[in-house]
Amino acid sequence: GQQLNQSPQSMFIQEGEDVSMNCTSSSIFNTWLWYKQDPGEGPVLLIALYKAGELTSNGRLTAQFGITRKDSFLNISASIPSDVGIYFCAGQGHTGNQFYFGTGTSLTVIP
Amino acid sequence: GAVVSQHPSWVICKSGTSVKIECRSLDFQATTMFWYRQFPKQSLMLMATSNEGSKATYEQGVEKDKFLINHASLTLSTLTVTSAHPEDSSFYICSAYRSGGADTQYFGPGTRLTVL
Repeated sequence: GQQLNQSPQSMFIQEGEDVSMNCTSSSIFNTWLWYKQDPGEGPVLLIALYKAGELTSNGRLTAQFGITRKDSFLNISASIPSDVGIYFCAGQGHTGNQFYFGTGTSLTVIP
Repeated sequence: GAVVSQHPSWVICKSGTSVKIECRSLDFQATTMFWYRQFPKQSLMLMATSNEGSKATYEQGVEKDKFLINHASLTLSTLTVTSAHPEDSSFYICSAYRSGGADTQYFGPGTRLTVL
């Protein structure tokens, strides 16, 4: 199935720094979702986006639905150690209910 | 967010035996559930789409006779790994699809399968 390009693949940052990651697709999507996965756990939904240009926040997290509908961005401000994990984007197209997942961004926060 | 449970959370079995994993949507009815497989440090690989009251739809390369899916009710889907072999060892995760304008999917906590 289709897989989205997510970058960067991994990040090592100092506590307190801001983080940015993005997800791109060759197809237009109607819905973008962002998840965080801790080791040995299932992904947890962070933010859901449904309209092009939409900007949504969840605490220190902010995500945007790209105007072209082919990309999405996730920003984390003032990172803390518990932000460590793998972040996945997921997009849903016009037809069907399947979501396509990004390759993941592994985030390491150095105290 | 919505709660999806999975049982068991981990299982160890002998080669040749079958293992059943349950996925329950606890606070909404899900006509569709998804089953994923995840290898270490990799993304989620969709195995099949489980539809309540009808046959599951399998992704290319996934053996339907090997991975039996039953979506018996709007809150329960099961995945049975039949005649398991060591190469079936993996992390299996289900999700429940919520539709109705703001489509979303919520994941279960995953099941770690180890086949000896």
